[in-house]
Amino acid sequence: SAVISQKPSRDICQRGTSLTIQCQVDSQVTMMFWYRQQPGQSLTLIATANQGSEATYESGFVIDKFPISRPNLTFSTLTVSNMSPEDSSIYLCSASTGRDSPLHFGNGTRLTVT
Amino acid sequence: KNQVEQSPQSLIILEGKNCTLQCNYTVSPFSNLRWYKQDTGRGPVSLTIMTFSENTKSNGRYTATLDADTKQSSLHITASQLSDSASYICVVTLYNQGGKLIFGQGTELSVKP
Repeated sequence: SAVISQKPSRDICQRGTSLTIQCQVDSQVTMMFWYRQQPGQSLTLIATANQGSEATYESGFVIDKFPISRPNLTFSTLTVSNMSPEDSSIYLCSASTGRDSPLHFGNGTRLTVT
Repeated sequence: KNQVEQSPQSLIILEGKNCTLQCNYTVSPFSNLRWYKQDTGRGPVSLTIMTFSENTKSNGRYTATLDADTKQSSLHITASQLSDSASYICVVTLYNQGGKLIFGQGTELSVKP
């Protein structure tokens, strides 16, 4: 199964700054996703990171706020831009080789915006 | 509306006991149903994946069942261990919409010695 390394594991950031989260998979994967999880809540899909093209965003999430890169089949980044305290959350990277294949997750980035 | 509802919201059991977690869904059509375990501070880890034609799937002490007619699934944990303390999340994959995943809210399980 794929192993996903995500960093940083946590960060405390000031309002108005940006943070880039990196996600590295130890094998080539077809699909990569970014999720957000509020404490005690379910996961919410932010976007699908498409290799070589623009990410596909879910309703309520926009590229200007959450720019995503995916330069190859093993790596992706998510940037949280112009942060506000409402962006404080856990951000999770995930990857899969197919719709009926296991979806593997990184351990998440715990972001606190002050 | 595509929804996944889990019960109970939280559960406390004694070490060695069995327990069953429930998942009801209104997703249709669906491709598969998954159960994940999420330890505190970690990402979810896949326990089982069942397609609509499968009734049961086991992974060690974890056994998942699926009734596609009643749109219900359960996760049974046998001989619980302290390390089973975690959140258990039921996830349904849509057949269309690019295989979008619908997540349940999770059941918080606490196993006490």
